[in-house]
Amino acid sequence: QVTLRESGPALVKPTQTLTLTCTFSGFSLSTRGMCVSWIRQPPGKALEWLALIDWEDDKSYSTSLKTRLTISKDTSKNQVVLTMTNMDPVDTATYYCARDYYDSSGYRMDVWGQGTTVTVSS
Amino acid sequence: SYELTQPSSVSVSPGQTARITCSGDLLTKKYARWFQQKPGQAPVLVIYKDSERPSGIPERFSGSSSGTTVTLTISGAQVEDEADYYCYSAADNNRVFGGGTKLTVL
Repeated sequence: QVTLRESGPALVKPTQTLTLTCTFSGFSLSTRGMCVSWIRQPPGKALEWLALIDWEDDKSYSTSLKTRLTISKDTSKNQVVLTMTNMDPVDTATYYCARDYYDSSGYRMDVWGQGTTVTVSS
Repeated sequence: SYELTQPSSVSVSPGQTARITCSGDLLTKKYARWFQQKPGQAPVLVIYKDSERPSGIPERFSGSSSGTTVTLTISGAQVEDEADYYCYSAADNNRVFGGGTKLTVL
């Protein structure tokens, strides 16, 4: 059974750096085709894709947030970490991680964590 | 940058067919996926590769593609299908969600 769980601070101050951890089980990020994506959702708004890391440690970032994001993985711990610098109140959102499985049918985020809510406020 | 456009809302009566569209130039080159999100819950993948249904998703959910538009169809919509639906696609190293459609079944 594939599961993912997000963890991190519930509250950060403006200008601080946010660090979120996605801890997963049921698959390995060293297996071909396995990737993890981060997605966020501000209250009452649409989903927004943030970043992806794949089994070869290749990384992709949202064009609009690329300068603020860093994604990394620790395969031995089954964890993916996302950092976002210079946090602002508009970054208040629920942050999700998801397994982004790649095969001949393309990528698909087939299993999601429950999300972690982050509020940016002084 | 790429954009995917969805209607903000769709409303049907139980048992009717609900159709939710998603439009964007990206869709002529890349597959679409659809996610269902109920209040307070994480999204669930209901369609990938334009029309493929993951295991466990009811057969009433189907997807189709034509040109720059993809369509999620729920045949015989049920009250429990009431949710927000998001289309999604990927291009180059970027990925984009549509703005979401609130489906009301009542």
